[in-house]
Amino acid sequence: SQQGEEDPQALSIQEGENATMNCSYKTSINNLQWYRQNSGRGLVHLILIRSNEREKHSGRLRVTLDTSKKSSSLLITASRAADTASYFCATDPLIKLIFGTGTRLQVFP
Amino acid sequence: NAGVTQTPKFQVLKTGQSMTLQCAQDMNHNSMYWYRQDPGMGLRLIYYSASEGTTDKGEVPNGYNVSRLNKREFSLRLESAAPSQTSVYFCASRAATGKESGNTIYFGEGSWLTVV
Repeated sequence: SQQGEEDPQALSIQEGENATMNCSYKTSINNLQWYRQNSGRGLVHLILIRSNEREKHSGRLRVTLDTSKKSSSLLITASRAADTASYFCATDPLIKLIFGTGTRLQVFP
Repeated sequence: NAGVTQTPKFQVLKTGQSMTLQCAQDMNHNSMYWYRQDPGMGLRLIYYSASEGTTDKGEVPNGYNVSRLNKREFSLRLESAAPSQTSVYFCASRAATGKESGNTIYFGEGSWLTVV
């Protein structure tokens, strides 16, 4: 079974709007990571947040982590058409990284 | 910067045929992984190798075998392909050191496998 589950499964917004996607997981983690996948390509690492951190920023990305609720959110501010992709959270309970099912983000110009 | 290289990129197999997906990384990473990605299922871990000389089953290992040939290479073999193994396969690696930078996983570009 999947460790992480993203919500929503799909999201459509206009350029300039913010996009928020959520991830829930089941077991204790060392860290949580977010990855991006463009259509037909491999996944690319975006940001990592450790279990003792609550919020982290990287450019237009903001990630929060609530270990008591076993959930994380990824906020992309001022979205661009180039942000169109699938976004996955991944949790690292031990040595193996387990991915969620992903959120498909479509940003319209 | 090659990163993670996997071959072949596309393959069509007949049911019952065997094949091996090859993966190599040039980043001196300790851990390597094989995932499959199906529509609506996200990525599922097939097998992983935490370090050279070790391999372990992931979520969906049935029908597959792996070999960690050396630190650079990690191959995935389908002994008798089935239509249910039609999928996109991704190889990945990471340093898996104690440093935070060692947690990032790097992916290959994927191998599209169709079993008819």
